[in-house]
Amino acid sequence: DAKTTQPTSMDCAEGRAANLPCNHSTISGNEYVYWYRQIHSQGPQYIIHGLKNNETNEMASLIITEDRKSSTLILPHATLRDTAVYYCIVRVNDMRFGAGTRLTVKP
Amino acid sequence: EAQVTQNPRYLITVTGKKLTVTCSQNMNHEYMSWYRQDPGLGLRQIYYSMNVEVTDKGDVPEGYKVSRKEKRNFPLILESPSPNQTSLYFCASSLSQGGGSPLHFGNGTRLTVT
Repeated sequence: DAKTTQPTSMDCAEGRAANLPCNHSTISGNEYVYWYRQIHSQGPQYIIHGLKNNETNEMASLIITEDRKSSTLILPHATLRDTAVYYCIVRVNDMRFGAGTRLTVKP
Repeated sequence: EAQVTQNPRYLITVTGKKLTVTCSQNMNHEYMSWYRQDPGLGLRQIYYSMNVEVTDKGDVPEGYKVSRKEKRNFPLILESPSPNQTSLYFCASSLSQGGGSPLHFGNGTRLTVT
């Protein structure tokens, strides 16, 4: 599975959009991009995934570049409850987690 | 409600005393997996199962056993726990192992081995 690179931490103001970047330059054609988040020590929560096209659901939007070498998770209106560690994962079969990005939403 | 259920949530035991952490899912998922999470090391896969009676090692299988006799259950067995197995454990399941199937996680089991 391809490796991913994410910033260690980010801050975002409450009510603003949070844009979390992820690099996956070695991604292969059949690997999906997944985003999860983990709040405190709870189980990782699935957010969204995509293969080539941009995706949107009730939680977030996923923007994948045309060459698929990077992606951005967008939380359109961040709240304090969105403070968490966000993981970007590239997956064919098994899911391997990196260190993720610690997002802090500030009032 | 669709969910992955782990039990117990918290467990304190002593070295060498066999224990089992149960995991059950009600979504008819074929694929199930166990992870452990340690500070500074992140989430690491212990074992996974692609279907009934099909299991395989993940990245850190030493000291653990699993079984998959029924589709819904995937228990994690520590035959002789040691302090280095003190960790936060998560069970997860997905429709299949394939890339397009999101993995759904349980709420975790915090194990302390003294």
